[in-house]
Parts: sequence; structure tokens; C-alpha cells
Amino acid sequence: EPEVTQTPSHQVTQMGQEVILRCVPISNHLYFYWYRQILGQKVEFLVSFYNNEISEKSEIFDDQFSVERPDGSNFTLKIRSTKLEDSAMYFCASRDRFGNSPLHFGNGTRLTVT
Amino acid sequence: KNEVEQSPQNLTAQEGEFITINCSYSVGISALHWLQQHPGGGIVSLFMLSSGKKKHGRLIATINIQEKHSSLHITASHPRDSAVYICAVPSTGNQFYFGTGTSLTVIP
Repeated sequence: EPEVTQTPSHQVTQMGQEVILRCVPISNHLYFYWYRQILGQKVEFLVSFYNNEISEKSEIFDDQFSVERPDGSNFTLKIRSTKLEDSAMYFCASRDRFGNSPLHFGNGTRLTVT
Repeated sequence: KNEVEQSPQNLTAQEGEFITINCSYSVGISALHWLQQHPGGGIVSLFMLSSGKKKHGRLIATINIQEKHSSLHITASHPRDSAVYICAVPSTGNQFYFGTGTSLTVIP
């Protein structure tokens, strides 16, 4: 069964550094999402992406965050200048259409900012 | 304000017990999703339902749209069912609201 893949599975970075989290959504999917989950807390929406542009973003998704779909298969989340509080699990998800279609999640990237 | 509320937050059960996890939501929805988060962190979609009931193996999900309530049941629970179960509902836009999750531990 096709799946969403995320790399790396674990990233350690120093405060102030830039990180890029990578995702390959399922190939025929059109809607893409990034979520994060701080340890012990609930999953939080960051951003949704459709038709090569951001369709919605949360208050968390400030100027230090950006997303790209550079080559039609990868979907990346860039954090420009990481802060300690950016340490979390970051999940990519995709679905094939709007409305009643299931979300498919990647296994997540655990980001640790030291 | 939480658009999605789940109960209980934590649940411990003996192997074989029947388990119920509840989800209430405040927004109008087209469908509700039940997700399972494994101890390693990965998230899997279990059900998407917009009415009535769905069954997959020992898992049953029900929804009452009028009451804005859904339940996830696990029959004959097993230690491998230990996970966090999350209810999620779509917004009117293109995002989802997530419940805080129910952490289930099934003891042999």
C-alpha cells in the first residue's frame, strides 16, 4: 500500500540553525499538511498546501516557517532559525481530495533543538 | 476553547475487556476521523465516518451527527492495542482539529 515517507526520522540541531524536514506524499494525493506534536501534548496543525500554495496556516506557522513542493514529489518544511521550543515531532500528511477522504500520515521526524 | 474533546484521557484495561473511547466536537463536520498513534509515534488512520457505524476487525466506530458525538470501541482488547487513540474533525477550511488523545494500556 502506498505510504507517506518522511526523512530524517530524527534530527538534532543547534538553536539558531536552519532545518529542512522532508516528506514524500502519496503520488496521486493533492492536499498536503504539516503537523507538530510537542512531547506529551496533542497534535497541532501547522499548514495545509494545495495547488502549489498554502491554503491555510495556523498561528504557530510564523515567518520562521516555510513550505515548498520543489519538484512535484517532495514536500518540505523549513524552519529558518530554530528555537528550543521547536523541539517536537513533525508529521507530514496527505490526502487525495477535499471532503471525506482519509488522512495518510508519515512516521514523523523527531526534531531536537539543543 | 477545544473544538474536540476526548474522554477518558487515560485508560488501563485487562486483556479481553471491552473498551470505549468517546469524542465530542463542537464544529459542524462532514466526517470524523479516528487515528491511532503507536508508542513509537507513528499515526495511522483507523476510520473515517460520517454516519452510523463502521467495523474493522475488533474495532467499531459509531457517530451521532445530531449529538456531535462519536465512540470508538475495542472488543476483546489485547496488549497490542496499547496506543494513543485520537479523534480528529475537519474544519470548514483545509485543516483538522485534533483531540488530546486517549492513552490506552492493555495489561496481559
